[in-house]
Amino acid sequence: AQKITQTQPGMFVQEKEAVTLDCTYDTSDQSYGLFWYKQPSSGEMIFLIYQGSYDEQNATEGRYSLNFQKARKSANLVISASQLGDSAMYFCAMKGGRGNDMRFGAGTRLTVKP
Amino acid sequence: DADVTQTPRNRITKTGKRIMLECSQTKGHDRMYWYRQDPGLGLRLIYYSFDVKDINKGEISDGYSVSRQAQAKFSLSLESAIPNQTALYFCATSDRAEGGGNYGYTFGSGTRLTVV
Repeated sequence: AQKITQTQPGMFVQEKEAVTLDCTYDTSDQSYGLFWYKQPSSGEMIFLIYQGSYDEQNATEGRYSLNFQKARKSANLVISASQLGDSAMYFCAMKGGRGNDMRFGAGTRLTVKP
Repeated sequence: DADVTQTPRNRITKTGKRIMLECSQTKGHDRMYWYRQDPGLGLRLIYYSFDVKDINKGEISDGYSVSRQAQAKFSLSLESAIPNQTALYFCATSDRAEGGGNYGYTFGSGTRLTVV
């Protein structure tokens, strides 16, 4: 069974600093995708970044990068130059090669301090 | 218009009442999903459908039922609502591609359901 673990219920970061949100996963699939979503207080789910299991390069999208360590089964999200608008819940998720349903971690609530 | 529309956005209902949450999409995706979100638990899969005739239970299907009326419509029903079904409910869609490739979900805006 697939499992996603986010061990940080809450994180604080100073504005303009970088922050890493941890995510580990467990799967027996060889082909899978890893995703990060942001959920602001308004509640919608916003896609941030994707990493495929066969991608050799770490994914980047603007200020977001995904530190993918396949052997350790980790997919940490790095947010550089944090902004006040980055304060939100962040979910790590994985979609396996067979079932195509996505499993989510419990989430990390990030608070950016001015 | 949003790609994935959920109605209602908010609902308060009484214990024992039947309630239906509706989801419609304009993405043309075959696959649709219902999740519930509870604090500290993330999103958990209730039901999913790969096409109109293919309905599957997820992790937490007890107390829920679904109907896929058309490719674009996927409804979630609570036959007899109970307070621990109070949660934020999300509908999502995806296309047919398997794990490789950036084929994540398109989410609706969510339905906040309170059962009193």
